[in-house]
Amino acid sequence: KAGVTQTPRYLIKTRGQQVTLSCSPISGHRSVSWYQQTPGQGLQFLFEYFSETQRNKGNFPGRFSGRQFSNSRSEMNVSTLELGDSALYLCASSSGLAGRRYQETQYFGPGTRLLVL
Amino acid sequence: KNQVEQSPQSLIILEGKNCTLQCNYTVSPFSNLRWYKQDTGRGPVSLTIMTFSENTKSNGRYTATLDADTKQSSLHITASQLSDSASYICVVSSNSNSGYALNFGKGTSLLVTP
Repeated sequence: KAGVTQTPRYLIKTRGQQVTLSCSPISGHRSVSWYQQTPGQGLQFLFEYFSETQRNKGNFPGRFSGRQFSNSRSEMNVSTLELGDSALYLCASSSGLAGRRYQETQYFGPGTRLLVL
Repeated sequence: KNQVEQSPQSLIILEGKNCTLQCNYTVSPFSNLRWYKQDTGRGPVSLTIMTFSENTKSNGRYTATLDADTKQSSLHITASQLSDSASYICVVSSNSNSGYALNFGKGTSLLVTP
């Protein structure tokens, strides 16, 4: 079974631009979560999508948004980039089945490393 | 405020030795506690997941313990190998009327040397 894939792996943008990151979950997984990881703050939860609906959201500004498609693939968008948005953006998938949602193992992708200049 | 504190921040040990990483939390209400291993340049990999009623769980040479009364968890690595060099992250989740929340520690960076 193929793992979680993320594209692109590396990205360089300038302040004020916007960026879209993509995540393809493990086949059969319907839950996709996004995380930001920086050396200073560590891992932080952005949001979770399940069956094309956002069902959980972290404490990030509205510049960070996402969506999920019917095939469970997900995209994350950051508008009006700031220098502080430079980070590793990780996507994780799980089956998301009701009743097991909070106990499931999440499988992470390799991440997209974003550098904002 | 929900917090997760990990110690030590970094650790260097000799190959073959054992080590223990600590995670203290003030998260409430508690749902579960996870330990992840993250190799440099890769995404985290789940090692263990423990709920309130579980006080120990093993995954090969990794053994996690949980004391829900003192709100402490530890990850013990036995007979360390060079491939254990990584960052180990403790994540404590809560589930309340406000919703489900994840609280992350900043990780312990482990270096295993020959």
